[in-house]
Amino acid sequence: EADIYQTPRYLVIGTGKKITLECSQTMGHDKMYWYQQDPGMELHLIHYSYGVNSTEKGDLSSESTVSRIRTEHFPLTLESARPSHTSQYLCASSVFQGSSTDTQYFGPGTRLTVL
Amino acid sequence: QKEVEQNSGPLSVPEGAIASLNCTYSDRGSQSFFWYRQYSGKSPELIMSIYSNGDKEDGRFTAQLNKASQYVSLLIRDSQPSDSATYLCAVSSGGSYIPTFGRGTSLIVHP
Repeated sequence: EADIYQTPRYLVIGTGKKITLECSQTMGHDKMYWYQQDPGMELHLIHYSYGVNSTEKGDLSSESTVSRIRTEHFPLTLESARPSHTSQYLCASSVFQGSSTDTQYFGPGTRLTVL
Repeated sequence: QKEVEQNSGPLSVPEGAIASLNCTYSDRGSQSFFWYRQYSGKSPELIMSIYSNGDKEDGRFTAQLNKASQYVSLLIRDSQPSDSATYLCAVSSGGSYIPTFGRGTSLIVHP
């Protein structure tokens, strides 16, 4: 069973606030990911990391930033939240399993509402 | 642009029936295929992965892969109301190994 945690689970904030969504995993996985998902819609990859000090932008244009200083920690920061940022944010991690590709394990998600 | 297509549904089946979920993908170089289940308001959880052509069975679930036709399917036997959820297909290829997700198919199993 995957051990990946996200905090907070729910967040309601006002426009213009700076926020950080936390994600931690205890499995020692090298790869970590952030996805954004609106209700009934597909997952959009916004950031990923191959390991410490590695970060990449995903397919979805995002005004967020990430950092990867420790293997287990991959926080997502919004410098100035806007109502358009209202969504569910999912963190995932994965490990390469031999000749097969990474299997991703997801955290419980953070539901963000920006007023 | 790699694409993964799924019928959004909803697919409605009676309890005890076989539910068949389909997924097509555009990248012929795709190597790994995943099915995730996502309950409303929850995060996706992995059901099965498949890497070779043919069938792979795990309990009531069977994944089928046909690389020549570029499709992957998931069969759920003896469907239960608790199987009601959105099923996401994910596909990845060599290189980055970053999976591309489909929009998902909503499954409703009615008693």
